[in-house]
Amino acid sequence: EIVMTQFPLSLPVTPGEPASISCRSSQSLLYYNGNNNLDWYVQKPGQSPQLLIYLASNRASGVPDRFTGSGSDTDFTLTISRVEPEDVGVYYCMHTVETPPTFGQGTKVEIK
Amino acid sequence: QVQLQESGPRLVRPSETLSLTCTVSGGSTSSYYWNWIRQSPGKGLEWIAYIYHAGYTKYNPSLMSRATISMDTSKNHFSLKVNSVTAADTAVYYCARAGVRAMYSEFDYWGQGILVTVSS
Repeated sequence: EIVMTQFPLSLPVTPGEPASISCRSSQSLLYYNGNNNLDWYVQKPGQSPQLLIYLASNRASGVPDRFTGSGSDTDFTLTISRVEPEDVGVYYCMHTVETPPTFGQGTKVEIK
Repeated sequence: QVQLQESGPRLVRPSETLSLTCTVSGGSTSSYYWNWIRQSPGKGLEWIAYIYHAGYTKYNPSLMSRATISMDTSKNHFSLKVNSVTAADTAVYYCARAGVRAMYSEFDYWGQGILVTVSS
């Protein structure tokens, strides 16, 4: 199965500052149709995961435009342009290019 | 607004069968792909299986055919059984709906999760 590796695993951030999380896959996530099959989720404290980004760069409904997904093939990045206090949580990438889909270990974003 | 709610026993004895149900409200199980995902401290988030209303299913090979997913569209719910459980099956189990274009991605609606503990 494809292994998803995220870094850093812990990310202290200052409100108003940008933040980036990297996700690397052990195999290409580029599908024959040109899509990169990668989702990003955030799990806020005490909650279920929530979809942020799908197909590497598409914001899910209701997701603020300060969240941007980028990357292709095996290297992906989630960027928060200006961190807000409500952005604290654990961020996960997940590939969906083959069975089974697998998640990264998670990156914990916390306020400094 | 679509809502999902997991239910079932929270304590299961080793070697027995874990049985969970996800009840869907505000939407129909007759469309979309419906998934089970679990989260444990040791293994993080792990996709388990999906089902489509036509009966099409797919499983994570890691469960080695111990898992069975089923659906009852008349009750608008779908279920998961995992047999021969061990302590490694202790986890929070989530049900989730895949996106309109997807089978096991773009999970746009999730249940609140149910903690199932395997212990004697």
